[in-house]
Amino acid sequence: GENVEQHPSTLSVQEGDSAVIKCTYSDSASNYFPWYKQELGKGPQLIIDIRSNVGEKKDQRIAVTLNKTAKHFSLHITETQPEDSAVYFCAALRPNSGYALNFGKGTSLLVTP
Amino acid sequence: DTEVTQTPKHLVMGMTNKKSLKCEQHMGHRAMYWYKQKAKKPPELMFVYSYEKLSINESVPSRFSPECPNSSLLNLHLHALQPEDSALYLCASSQRTGDKGYTFGSGTRLTVV
Repeated sequence: GENVEQHPSTLSVQEGDSAVIKCTYSDSASNYFPWYKQELGKGPQLIIDIRSNVGEKKDQRIAVTLNKTAKHFSLHITETQPEDSAVYFCAALRPNSGYALNFGKGTSLLVTP
Repeated sequence: DTEVTQTPKHLVMGMTNKKSLKCEQHMGHRAMYWYKQKAKKPPELMFVYSYEKLSINESVPSRFSPECPNSSLLNLHLHALQPEDSALYLCASSQRTGDKGYTFGSGTRLTVV
């Protein structure tokens, strides 16, 4: 089955710095890779996603890159703010699975003022 | 409307109770999902519905019974749960292909006593 590895598990940055979270997946047939932000007591919030026919996507301070050959994808947050502090999950759509997602184990991001 | 709405937000139930969780979306998504999330862990898939038909059951115990009355609604009926079933139960929906707007609700925090 599909495995998604996510690193690091915790990340602490100073306000204004950049944060990078990396994920790798095992099944080359995976074709959709969303990123979620989850704050305490809330459900995962989709912040950006990328399909396998695209190498990079950007939305304001957030960008995602995908390397299909190496089977890894990364989340980049620039000019971090304290409100970016949360747990971030990467995910990969399981091929031929009824559209289920396999999640990485999450990265707890702390942005200190 | 770009939301998945779940009710109730919190639920405490005894091991002999019967209760139901409800989920609603009006984005025209034809795939709907139930996930379970334990503390500090990623969401884990329970069920997938595609066009109101159950397409995936991830070997979930029969004390959890899903139902999809129409394309906008998804229920999860609970009966004779165990304390270890306490978790955040998340509903999600997406376009049929799974690769557009995979959106989660805020979840129901379930405690079994």
